[in-house]
Amino acid sequence: GAGVSQSPRYKVAKRGQDVALRCDPISGHVSLFWYQQALGQGPEFLTYFQNEAQLDKSGLPSDRFFAERPEGSVSTLKIQRTQQEDSAVYLCASTRTGNTGELFFGEGSRLTVL
Amino acid sequence: GENVEQHPSTLSVQEGDSAVIKCTYSDSASNYFPWYKQELGKRPQLIIDIRSNVGEKKDQRIAVTLNKTAKHFSLHITETQPEDSAVYFCAAGGTASKLTFGTGTRLQVTL
Repeated sequence: GAGVSQSPRYKVAKRGQDVALRCDPISGHVSLFWYQQALGQGPEFLTYFQNEAQLDKSGLPSDRFFAERPEGSVSTLKIQRTQQEDSAVYLCASTRTGNTGELFFGEGSRLTVL
Repeated sequence: GENVEQHPSTLSVQEGDSAVIKCTYSDSASNYFPWYKQELGKRPQLIIDIRSNVGEKKDQRIAVTLNKTAKHFSLHITETQPEDSAVYFCAAGGTASKLTFGTGTRLQVTL
């Protein structure tokens, strides 16, 4: 596709519900990142994939957060038993190579947990 | 891990004036320093970046300087325009690794 696509754009969940957020990176991009952006803050790293391999998940805040990229393309970020503090915009970004370079961000998925 | 601090958190300038945003980082292994612009409700977009083998880079009205010894880098915007109003984020990272972002600077360019 022309850019990184994320869905849903907006998600409202009741506390305790599970949610799944999808990211479709730019075709051919090797690396994929998930970031969490709280209101008025900078993006905070969650996890990083190179192709299908999850190379770094050090930013996932708890074991309720899980990400996968089984075929090295589309990725899903799953949050189980959502809590109010999970409310944020979840940004997905991809890069062409495995080396540091320009991150192409999606529009984000805004999660509100009531 | 890397820690990036960014100042100021808000900046108001008159149209035509210059704006400067400063960042410091902690990890001497970081060698890539991009700046992203995020308009309200939009995705962050890269506006300029610098790697540690250069000290300064310029692109039209935007320039970035890097001081590796002091571990700080700055964004300079000259001849500011209303469309420059946005939140700007600095970031730091190493080869093939994640970027750590600053907390952002909200720039307001007034007429």
